[in-house]
Amino acid sequence: AQTVTQSQPEMSVQEAETVTLSCTYDTSENNYYLFWYKQPPSRQMILVIRQEAYKQQNATENRFSVNFQKAAKSFSLKISDSQLGDTAMYFCACLHSGGGADGLTFGKGTHLIIQP
Amino acid sequence: KAGVTQTPRYLIKTRGQQVTLSCSPISGHRSVSWYQQTPGQGLQFLFEYFSETQRNKGNFPGRFSGRQFSNSRSEMNVSTLELGDSALYLCASSLVSSGRGSYEQYFGPGTRLTVT
Repeated sequence: AQTVTQSQPEMSVQEAETVTLSCTYDTSENNYYLFWYKQPPSRQMILVIRQEAYKQQNATENRFSVNFQKAAKSFSLKISDSQLGDTAMYFCACLHSGGGADGLTFGKGTHLIIQP
Repeated sequence: KAGVTQTPRYLIKTRGQQVTLSCSPISGHRSVSWYQQTPGQGLQFLFEYFSETQRNKGNFPGRFSGRQFSNSRSEMNVSTLELGDSALYLCASSLVSSGRGSYEQYFGPGTRLTVT
């Protein structure tokens, strides 16, 4: 079984600041994917960024980037130039790519509030 | 390309009744996964279907079941509803099955089920 831990239940930053959300995971598998999802008040789950575990290069999508530390099983999300629309719950998730996978395993989430 | 759609969006049922939720994946996606989201337990994996076959199943009682049709549309059924089944049920689609080198999952808007 795999576990995902997000240690920050809530964070608040000013608009335009940079914020980093933490995530650690535990898995015995070698092949897996990591994701960050955003869930705004509308409850629509939106994929923010993905990382394949076999890739050493950190993924980047516009203002969003990750710091993937495979040995430490850490997968943090950095949001640069934060905007009011970034206010949402952010979930870190892990997915095995081998047989017998159990779907996405999610962390408990971090509620990010961007203040004007 | 249209996103994942779920119907109905809101549902109110009474304890003991049964309910069927529907999910239409993104065109071309053959894998459909279902998740339950509650304030207490967070996001939990229910099951995944690929090519009309259940590939993976989470730790939920047999009252929770599902199926997938030849056009990849999926339904999930909950029988003998309990108060604790009140939740947001999310459906996600992906190109391939999580048991076969899976990839990112795209979520629908969810069905909010309230059991009274």
